[in-house]
Amino acid sequence: DAGVIQSPRHEVTEMGQEVTLRCKPISGHDYLFWYRQTMMRGLELLIYFNNNVPIDDSGMPEDRFSAKMPNASFSTLKIQPSEPRDSAVYFCASSFREGYTFGSGTRLTVV
Amino acid sequence: GENVEQHPSTLSVQEGDSAVIKCTYSDSASNYFPWYKQELGKRPQLIIDIRSNVGEKKDQRIAVTLNKTAKHFSLHITETQPEDSAVYFCAASLSGGYQKVTFGIGTKLQVIP
Repeated sequence: DAGVIQSPRHEVTEMGQEVTLRCKPISGHDYLFWYRQTMMRGLELLIYFNNNVPIDDSGMPEDRFSAKMPNASFSTLKIQPSEPRDSAVYFCASSFREGYTFGSGTRLTVV
Repeated sequence: GENVEQHPSTLSVQEGDSAVIKCTYSDSASNYFPWYKQELGKRPQLIIDIRSNVGEKKDQRIAVTLNKTAKHFSLHITETQPEDSAVYFCAASLSGGYQKVTFGIGTKLQVIP
């Protein structure tokens, strides 16, 4: 198994632009999580899905953030419009029964 | 919701010494406590976990202990090696680990050769 696959690995964008981060979970995993990692706040859970259905989006910082999971093998996290304070590493993780497997992350820089 | 506190935030030890990282959690219903290691520029990876029905678990040089009464759990690394240098995260979950997991802020461990 190739593990959790995220794209792009790095993204640099200008303030105000739309950013879309992508994630392919491990086949058979029924939970998918989006985390944001910063030095100040550590790993923050943004949203998670079970069987493609959003379960808890209370960590989504504001309406500029949205996430979808149209099928079991794909999820997106969108930021529109992006702001410099959104700069962080965004991790996707998936799980089945116990223990997360993280993707390699997307390092987002908003200038 | 669950709150996980972790300390110290940074820890430096000499190679061969032991390192201990401590965490506390707030929700007494939490029943699964994983630990993740994140090397610089890489993804967090699960290194060991413990369930609430177990007090201690070992895997070679690493061990975790859990005190449910105090809502406290710890990671112990013995005979530290330079490759142990990384950021370590503790976490707690209400549901066995495959649902929402709350992470501590992380401990940066530096092993000095």
